[in-house]
Amino acid sequence: GAVVSQHPSWVICKSGTSVKIECRSLDFQATTMFWYRQFPKQSLMLMATSNEGSKATYEQGVEKDKFLINHASLTLSTLTVTSAHPEDSSFYICSAREGQGLKAFFGQGTRLTVV
Amino acid sequence: AQTVTQSQPEMSVQEAETVTLSCTYDTSESDYYLFWYKQPPSRQMILVIRQEAYKQQNATENRFSVNFQKAAKSFSLKISDSQLGDAAMYFCAYKRSGNTPLVFGKGTRLSVIA
Repeated sequence: GAVVSQHPSWVICKSGTSVKIECRSLDFQATTMFWYRQFPKQSLMLMATSNEGSKATYEQGVEKDKFLINHASLTLSTLTVTSAHPEDSSFYICSAREGQGLKAFFGQGTRLTVV
Repeated sequence: AQTVTQSQPEMSVQEAETVTLSCTYDTSESDYYLFWYKQPPSRQMILVIRQEAYKQQNATENRFSVNFQKAAKSFSLKISDSQLGDAAMYFCAYKRSGNTPLVFGKGTRLSVIA
């Protein structure tokens, strides 16, 4: 089956620094990428949707200048958390879809801890 | 906006028994899809089963089946012959047609008792 590789699986960073999370589709073209955030014991909340070569569309309440999403190729999307603060600590999950396909393939997730 | 409601934060089932997880949703769309995802402790999201709204027949995947009641906007998941490996968070999700994201419920934590 299709594989989405998300890296790193966990990261600890200091407050004020930036962290980049990568999401790669290994055997298909990820024309659309979705980035979710999951707080402990809670559901996945959509942060943004990005289509390859286009600017990401952010959900209401998500700061686009803080959560920078790049989707420059059909196999790679990145989420950069800029000037991270402890409240940004969370589990971030990417999900990729090829074309108008119904299936969404998920990365393994990244646990971000900001200290 | 579409919403997905899972009213059971936690459920438990004896090994080899059957358990049903509830899910309701709200939408004004006629063309959409419903899903159940499993999230084990590894946090990897795993698709369990999918139902197309235009199909009247309930989807089944081995020990997993759904009871899709379109008029009632209900989409429950039945797990038969529960196994220890079924213990996980289960999320009900909705997707309207087109290149749209999944909308998730809050999840149900399922415990399987040996």
